[in-house]
Amino acid sequence: RKEVEQDPGPFNVPEGATVAFNCTYSNSASQSFFWYRQDCRKEPKLLMSVYSSGNEDGRFTAQLNRASQYISLLIRDSKLSDSATYLCVVIAKTGGFKTIFGAGTRLFVKA
Amino acid sequence: DVKVTQSSRYLVKRTGEKVFLECVQDMDHENMFWYRQDPGLGLRLIYFSYDVKMKEKGDIPEGYSVSREKKERFSLILESASTNQTSMYLCAISRRGDNYEQYFGPGTRLTVT
Repeated sequence: RKEVEQDPGPFNVPEGATVAFNCTYSNSASQSFFWYRQDCRKEPKLLMSVYSSGNEDGRFTAQLNRASQYISLLIRDSKLSDSATYLCVVIAKTGGFKTIFGAGTRLFVKA
Repeated sequence: DVKVTQSSRYLVKRTGEKVFLECVQDMDHENMFWYRQDPGLGLRLIYFSYDVKMKEKGDIPEGYSVSREKKERFSLILESASTNQTSMYLCAISRRGDNYEQYFGPGTRLTVT
């Protein structure tokens, strides 16, 4: 089982739709959680941190569920420019600390 | 704004050549990382460094070495490039400590022929 798992997609949605991604992690001692966005042939860029109380930034909302060991990302009112791959990132305690990247979920937003 | 630069965006080398990839940051962050990213495999950690002259192996260090002589620079070296090292190489930085997010450079797409 992978330490961080994401549905690879692709998710194909129309403009204006609401779309949600989940990411599960296996290490219950995981400490920090993030969502990154990666455009085609570009570097990953930090989208938002995920706090225990949740986090909202404009059209984007991230949630953490420690009991079920998953984090989620909700995108409201999707824009064409939201088309990208979304990477889930977990910092887990495995001996020392380790940053683990999910393989990403591909999103296509269409007009 | 966080600034991480990498020496080349695209690089083509021949099998057996020695390859240097350099990463430079202007954020005075202690931690620096080298990853490779391949389709279907995601990001895999090659090496990282917590301080000058310090290095730690990541998940796939074989065939690579690193050097960190100055805080702002972290070099990845392929001693004898092979075709299976064709990949996107990404440098990242983060602040001292274990729980901080990483910031990436633009990446180097290396092709070994």
